[in-house]
Amino acid sequence: ETGVTQTPRHLVMGMTNKKSLKCEQHLGHNAMYWYKQSAKKPLELMFVYNFKEQTENNSVPSRFSPECPNSSHLFLHLHTLQPEDSALYLCASSQVSVAGSAETQYFGPGTRLLVL
Amino acid sequence: SQQGEEDPQALSIQEGENATMNCSYKTSINNLQWYRQNSGRGLVHLILIRSNEREKHSGRLRVTLDTSKKSSSLLITASRAADTASYFCATANDYKLSFGAGTTVTVRA
Repeated sequence: ETGVTQTPRHLVMGMTNKKSLKCEQHLGHNAMYWYKQSAKKPLELMFVYNFKEQTENNSVPSRFSPECPNSSHLFLHLHTLQPEDSALYLCASSQVSVAGSAETQYFGPGTRLLVL
Repeated sequence: SQQGEEDPQALSIQEGENATMNCSYKTSINNLQWYRQNSGRGLVHLILIRSNEREKHSGRLRVTLDTSKKSSSLLITASRAADTASYFCATANDYKLSFGAGTTVTVRA
C-alpha cells in the first residue's frame, strides 16, 4: 500500500453516462495528480493540483472535469466519454519542495476504465 | 510532454542475471526517478537521483546519472521472477514529472 487509494478499481460506462473517479491520499502531501495510461504509450499527465489550486490542465478535453475539495481528495468527473478514453487512470500525490521541484510521487492502484 | 525515453523497449533475461536499461532525456533536470509497474497496477517509486549525484544504490538496484550525456541507467542485479514488470524513468525540472514509455522486463525462471 502506498497511502493513495482509488475507487472504483474497474469501471464500465456507456458514452452517455456520468461517473466520477475518486482518489484519496493519507500522506499529508501538498500536490495531487491525474494521469492517463493507454496501452504502449507513456503516462500522460492530465491535471495537477498544488495546494488545492489547479496548476496544470494538459489540453484535456472538457469531458474530463477535475475537482479538488481539499488537499487529501481528488476527483475526476467523467461525462460523455468516447471509446478512445478507455485506459488506466492513475492518481498520484507528492510533496512539492520549496524550490518547486517534483519529488517522489506515490501512486494509487488505478481505475481501469472501459467506455462502450 | 514525454521527456525520458527508455531503451530497450523490452528485455528478457534468466533468473539470476543482471538487467540493465537506459533512459535518455532532452532538457535540464532537477532530479530523475525510476518507477516499477506490475501489470495493470499503479507505479511504485524505486529510486530518485538528483542532478548533482552520479550514482545511487538501493538494495539490488544501481542507478547512474550522466548529466553531460543527458542519460541514466538502471541496473538490477541477481534478478528474480518477481522483478518481472515495466520500468519507467521520469524527469523532473519543475513540479511535474515527465515519463518515458518504459522498458518491459521479463525474468524467466
